[in-house]
Amino acid sequence: DGGITQSPKYLFRKEGQNVTLSCEQNLNHDAMYWYRQDPGQGLRLIYYSQIVNDFQKGDIAEGYSVSREKKESFPLTVTSAQKNPTAFYLCASRQDSYNEQFFGPGTRLTVL
Amino acid sequence: DAKTTQPNSMESNEEEPVHLPCNHSTISGTDYIHWYRQLPSQGPEYVIHGLTSNVNNRMASLAIAEDRKSSTLILHRATLRDAAVYYCILRVYQTGANNLFFGTGTRLTVIP
Repeated sequence: DGGITQSPKYLFRKEGQNVTLSCEQNLNHDAMYWYRQDPGQGLRLIYYSQIVNDFQKGDIAEGYSVSREKKESFPLTVTSAQKNPTAFYLCASRQDSYNEQFFGPGTRLTVL
Repeated sequence: DAKTTQPNSMESNEEEPVHLPCNHSTISGTDYIHWYRQLPSQGPEYVIHGLTSNVNNRMASLAIAEDRKSSTLILHRATLRDAAVYYCILRVYQTGANNLFFGTGTRLTVIP
């Protein structure tokens, strides 16, 4: 089945450690996105990529980094510079010529 | 950023129609109106989108005011599976990216 996978569903890390969240899609979509969601809030855009080897900062990119070496993969690294990393992280993708974004199931990151 | 205003919560009886309002008074001529919904601990799911004309699909209908400063998502017969947070979003075209700006949404409760 085509779709977006994010793993793991739950992730725990100690404060000060970098952590990488994976996002894989087999929809052959050009654009990919990372969002952060805090309890009771909407989604905020962290980074997005419209094409391989290119990505742009979103509204809250500080403390995060991404790479886009392959069309199907868009990993997000939460660095120790992110002051409040505990949140629900969502990855999405979009076919360039269509409007709809498809979302993955999300990764809930807890930093202890 | 383009912004939308929605009620925090609404209730509906099962099998009755639901009208979810959204105000977007700062909308520009090229902004599309999107609706997504999110079930607990899941990624958002696309519902419908439109530009100027009313739109219908298998999930819902979208009624857009003539001045485009407001819109209404219509669920024709609410079911328990429709209980979710509904986001009204403006898709803004910026430097080639079609990014979505999420607000806090409307939490819809469906009463059996």
